[in-house]
Amino acid sequence: TQLLEQSPQFLSIQEGENLTVYCNSSSVFSSLQWYRQEPGEGPVLLVTVVTGGEVKKLKRLTFQFGDARKDSSLHITAAQPGDTGLYLCAGLLPSGYALNFGKGTSLLVTP
Amino acid sequence: KAGVTQTPRYLIKTRGQQVTLSCSPISGHRSVSWYQQTPGQGLQFLFEYFSETQRNKGNFPGRFSGRQFSNSRSEMNVSTLELGDSALYLCASSLGTGGQGEKLFFGSGTQLSVL
Repeated sequence: TQLLEQSPQFLSIQEGENLTVYCNSSSVFSSLQWYRQEPGEGPVLLVTVVTGGEVKKLKRLTFQFGDARKDSSLHITAAQPGDTGLYLCAGLLPSGYALNFGKGTSLLVTP
Repeated sequence: KAGVTQTPRYLIKTRGQQVTLSCSPISGHRSVSWYQQTPGQGLQFLFEYFSETQRNKGNFPGRFSGRQFSNSRSEMNVSTLELGDSALYLCASSLGTGGQGEKLFFGSGTQLSVL
């Protein structure tokens, strides 16, 4: 059973467009992380959010943790080809010891 | 400083064989976690080692095992390989202090193909 559901599964957009990726669950998490993985490489941590309602910005990327700490979103403004990759959300349950990963959203940004 | 190093990058084995994968964590990191990544299941947690002891374990059969050495380097072993073991195996190192702020640093992975 997948604790975290990500949508959409695939996204293909043109440079300059905005997009939002969602990460949803029925479980409450003590923290949630977003990673980006490029082909042939391991995931790279982008951000960690720990407080319900928290919003963090990383240049053109905006991350939000839901008020109930069950969901999160990643918004990219004016996407660039360099944003292409697999975006993974991962949550830590309050009683957990390991990250639970979603299956990811594969993003392709074309010039 | 150097990142997480996994060897080999690619491996081809046949059913029934066994395989050993290696992971060298970032200097100073005492925790090494192993994950299996497949297109169908995504990343799934295998186990975590901290100070040479297995601290946590995921829901994988006993064919999957690991160990950690005194220099924090870790190996994982898969015995009696099955076709379904074909996957990208990722290791991640961290300080090992635990908690919600723990940052994982992943290696590039070992792509295992079982024929």
